[in-house]
Amino acid sequence: EVQLVESGGGLVQPGGSLRLSCAASGFTFRNYWMSWVRQAPRKGPELVALINSDGGPTYYLDSVRGRFTISRDNAQSSLFLEMNSLGAEDTAVYYCAKDLTWQQFDFWGRGTLVTVSS
Amino acid sequence: QSALTQPASVSGSPGQSITLSCTGTSSDIGTYNYVSWYQHHPGKAPKLMIYDVSNRPSGISYRFSGSKSGNTASLTISGLQAEDEADYYCSSFTTSAFVVFGGGTKLTVL
Repeated sequence: EVQLVESGGGLVQPGGSLRLSCAASGFTFRNYWMSWVRQAPRKGPELVALINSDGGPTYYLDSVRGRFTISRDNAQSSLFLEMNSLGAEDTAVYYCAKDLTWQQFDFWGRGTLVTVSS
Repeated sequence: QSALTQPASVSGSPGQSITLSCTGTSSDIGTYNYVSWYQHHPGKAPKLMIYDVSNRPSGISYRFSGSKSGNTASLTISGLQAEDEADYYCSSFTTSAFVVFGGGTKLTVL
């Protein structure tokens, strides 16, 4: 059974940093592109970042490029999102998602809530 | 890239068929067949219901079907059941090489 379990969310002050983690199991993690998708309150989901299967090319939403860094550890079947210079607009539930094909996600985690507030 | 447009809410009675719409542009739905639909029960992991416009992943009921015409994609749920009550989101690959999602439709089973 595929499982994706996110952790690392919480309350952070504007300008602060957080590191999200996603533990994957039930599939050959190193074979798949992985992504972070967020959903702000009362809004639709938004793809934040994606990374190819071997940790090579990475892609970012324009509004987070330069502030967020996606990475992975294939030996540990883990995905990460380093978030810096956080602002209120980054408040959302952040989901780890497995890419089936062409940014269509066949498995998601339950998400971890990030709240940016003073 | 603007979000895809979905009606905020749709309702139906058990046993009925309902269709959810998702309107995009020639930069997304109109160009690509990489259109997906997700079901989301709050507090749970979103679930892929349809990919590549009309394909069902393993384990997804035949009651769910997808289609596309021009810049609009549709998800049809036949034989509506209480468990189908959830939020539904569409998505499409885009010419900016980044997927875009819709704002979501809340489906209520009366």
